Amino acid sequence: KAGVTQTPRYLIKTRGQQVTLSCSPISGHRSVSWYQQTPGQGLQFLFEYFSETQRNKGNFPGRFSGRQFSNSRSEMNVSTLELGDSALYLCASSLEGSGSNTYNEQFFGPGTRLTVL
Amino acid sequence: DQQVKQNSPSLSVQEGRISILNCDYTNSMFDYFLWYKKYPAEGPTFLISISSIKDKNEDGRFTVFLNKSAKHLSLHIVPSQPGDSAVYFCAASPDSGAGSYQLTFGKGTKLSVIP
Repeated sequence: KAGVTQTPRYLIKTRGQQVTLSCSPISGHRSVSWYQQTPGQGLQFLFEYFSETQRNKGNFPGRFSGRQFSNSRSEMNVSTLELGDSALYLCASSLEGSGSNTYNEQFFGPGTRLTVL
Repeated sequence: DQQVKQNSPSLSVQEGRISILNCDYTNSMFDYFLWYKKYPAEGPTFLISISSIKDKNEDGRFTVFLNKSAKHLSLHIVPSQPGDSAVYFCAASPDSGAGSYQLTFGKGTKLSVIP
């Protein structure tokens, strides 16, 4: 079974531009979450989508947005890029369901490294 | 306000010995705790988890202990192997009841296992 894939793997943008990152979850997974990883703040939750609906949102400005398609693939968009948006953006997918042993187990992709100049 | 804290940024352990990684949390609403391992240029990989109704969960060489009253959990790796060298993240999740998957992560501890 293929893992979570993210494209592109590396991206360089300049301040003020906007960017779209893509994530394809593991087949059958319907929940997709996005995280930002920076050296100073660590891994921070951006938002989570399930069945094309945003279920949870972290504490990030409105410049960060996302969406999920009917095939569970997800995209996140950052508008008006700032230098501080330089980070590794990680996508994770989960199999919706119960079961204490696998509750909240998320499978992460390799990430997209975004550099804002 | 950091709700999940890993106070040791790094840890070095001799191969074959025990590695103990610690994690503290402040939010009483957290109901489920997880450990992830991350190698450079890869995404985090799930290791082991524990529900707040338990105080111990074991999976092979990995054991997680939860002390709910102290809001503290630890990951024990026995015996440690050089391939265990990675950054370990502690994560926590509330029992939302809605099946949401919002994880709060610590900043990680870099484990180095010396051959």
